[in-house]
Amino acid sequence: QQQVKQSPQSLIVQKGGISIINCAYENTAFDYFPWYQQFPGKGPALLIAIRPDVSEKKEGRFTISFNKSAKQFSLHIMDSQPGDSATYFCAALRMDSSYKLIFGSGTRLLVRP
Amino acid sequence: EPEVTQTPSHQVTQMGQEVILRCVPISNHLYFYWYRQILGQKVEFLVSFYNNEISEKSEIFDDQFSVERPDGSNFTLKIRSTKLEDSAMYFCARRDRGHTDTQYFGPGTRLTVL
Repeated sequence: QQQVKQSPQSLIVQKGGISIINCAYENTAFDYFPWYQQFPGKGPALLIAIRPDVSEKKEGRFTISFNKSAKQFSLHIMDSQPGDSATYFCAALRMDSSYKLIFGSGTRLLVRP
Repeated sequence: EPEVTQTPSHQVTQMGQEVILRCVPISNHLYFYWYRQILGQKVEFLVSFYNNEISEKSEIFDDQFSVERPDGSNFTLKIRSTKLEDSAMYFCARRDRGHTDTQYFGPGTRLTVL
């Protein structure tokens, strides 16, 4: 119930392409869904986040699509660049549970030039 | 983007030894978290700390772990008797006051237990 399932495990995209990473959850009590970007040797950095009352959120080249009925959400990276090569984690939290983050297993993205 | 700093960046210790990992907030925040990431795996919640008290802890956070804020500034994670499986990156995160959901992570401490 506390898990967040993420796929794919790894992704290779050509420069300029669209990268899509998917996540699914079971616990309907989750009420905030952030995506974190992590470069090797660094801590996770918040990329973009969404609440379940919104179906889509866009910030620059990054878009979250949220399907509440299916309990799924995804990250789309448009015009992917080599600098986007990193590991991406989806996460979820419950505000009534100390705001602790439950992370997905991560997706290692490689954008080829 | 405001962050926290963590020291040391890398800690090597022998199995059975005690280690203390430190997190130094940039400003006076109330909400802190410790997470762990074993190499190549996902980030896992360890403990949350609010107003100088533990508010929630995970199953991983057993009796060998403790957290405190000894001087009202630094926020520490102590592992009393380290095991090989404690080798991981340990991240401190902080959350702002109010209704902000965002957690900002520090750069982490790599703990290697030999």
